[in-house]
Amino acid sequence: RKEVEQDPGPFNVPEGATVAFNCTYSNSASQSFFWYRQDCRKEPKLLMSVYSSGNEDGRFTAQLNRASQYISLLIRDSKLSDSATYLCVVFRGGSQGNLIFGKGTKLSVKP
Amino acid sequence: NAGVTQTPKFRVLKTGQSMTLLCAQDMNHEYMYWYRQDPGMGLRLIHYSVGEGTTAKGEVPDGYNVSRLKKQNFLLGLESAAPSQTSVYFCASTRTGGGNQPQHFGDGTRLSIL
Repeated sequence: RKEVEQDPGPFNVPEGATVAFNCTYSNSASQSFFWYRQDCRKEPKLLMSVYSSGNEDGRFTAQLNRASQYISLLIRDSKLSDSATYLCVVFRGGSQGNLIFGKGTKLSVKP
Repeated sequence: NAGVTQTPKFRVLKTGQSMTLLCAQDMNHEYMYWYRQDPGMGLRLIHYSVGEGTTAKGEVPDGYNVSRLKKQNFLLGLESAAPSQTSVYFCASTRTGGGNQPQHFGDGTRLSIL
């Protein structure tokens, strides 16, 4: 089992749709969790951290289930500008070299 | 504020040539990182540094060397380039350690080895 697994997609959705991305991680001792966004041929940028209680930022909601080792990202009312690849990122703890990036899920929002 | 700047943006090398990629940050961050990103793969850590004068190996360090002589700069060297090192290279920095720090990325260096 890969350490951080994501559905690669692509997810093709119409504007206004709600879309959910899932991510699983294998190391139960993982400490911190994030979603990054990466536009085509650009650098990754932090979208949001993921907290145990769940957290929301506008149209974006992130949730963490430590028991199932599962992270999710929900995007409501999708915009064309949401088209990007979404990276699930997990910090295993310990040294700074322990930040693990998933391969990403590609989202394409169509008019 | 430039953030994290990588030079060059693009480079084509022949097998066996050497080169150095430069990463500079103006945010006074302590920690710096070099990643590579290949199609179908997540970002993989090559080397990182927790402060001026320090370096440490990441997941895929073979074939690369790094130096952090100044706090703001982190250099990645390829001594003898190989086609397997064709990739997009990203530099990143974080203000401090700890896994809750957001990574600030440069906009990447696209390197092709022929």
